[in-house]
Amino acid sequence: KNEVEQSPQNLTAQEGEFITINCSYSVGISALHWLQQHPGGGIVSLFMLSSGKKKHGRLIATINIQEKHSSLHITASHPRDSAVYICAVRNTGNQFYFGTGTSLTVIP
Amino acid sequence: DSGVTQTPKHLITATGQRVTLRCSPRSGDLSVYWYQQSLDQGLQFLIQYYNGEERAKGNILERFSAQQFPDLHSELNLSSLELGDSALYFCASSFGTREAETQYFGPGTRLLVL
Repeated sequence: KNEVEQSPQNLTAQEGEFITINCSYSVGISALHWLQQHPGGGIVSLFMLSSGKKKHGRLIATINIQEKHSSLHITASHPRDSAVYICAVRNTGNQFYFGTGTSLTVIP
Repeated sequence: DSGVTQTPKHLITATGQRVTLRCSPRSGDLSVYWYQQSLDQGLQFLIQYYNGEERAKGNILERFSAQQFPDLHSELNLSSLELGDSALYFCASSFGTREAETQYFGPGTRLLVL
């Protein structure tokens, strides 16, 4: 069983749509990260959460510690948002676990 | 540009060989993390160093080793290479060791073992 599960695996959206990517985890965590990986392979850290909600531009990330669940929302999606989004958790033993990623394609 | 540099960008080698991947963290960052990303296993955490000392260990094989030098750059040594070691190897850096810290990723080294 994977410690981190993401859904959906693949997502295609029209430009302007509101997008939600979900992440569930099974371990006790000290932090949860949302990462973005573009087709060229580079990884960017979008958010690091240990509680509550964070917003950066059109991106919003939330976490519910009791339910062991996090969501990444993209408002007014744009073709440049096309990428793989990866959820990662750091457990209380300093280990990292990664989801398999959600591949997002935004069509103009 | 994250400020984290990795060399080389690409590496092609043969089974049984040994390679060294290099990472320079962002200026001021004391922690370095190494990750492996393969097609079949996705991203995996290998090891973390903080200010020269090993801080956390993940799924790092015994054939692999790492160290962080006094100038804070880090090297990941991969020996007795196997076909399955072909992957993207990322390093990331952060300022300290707090669990809730943003990591900045380098561009990765793409290793192909033939």
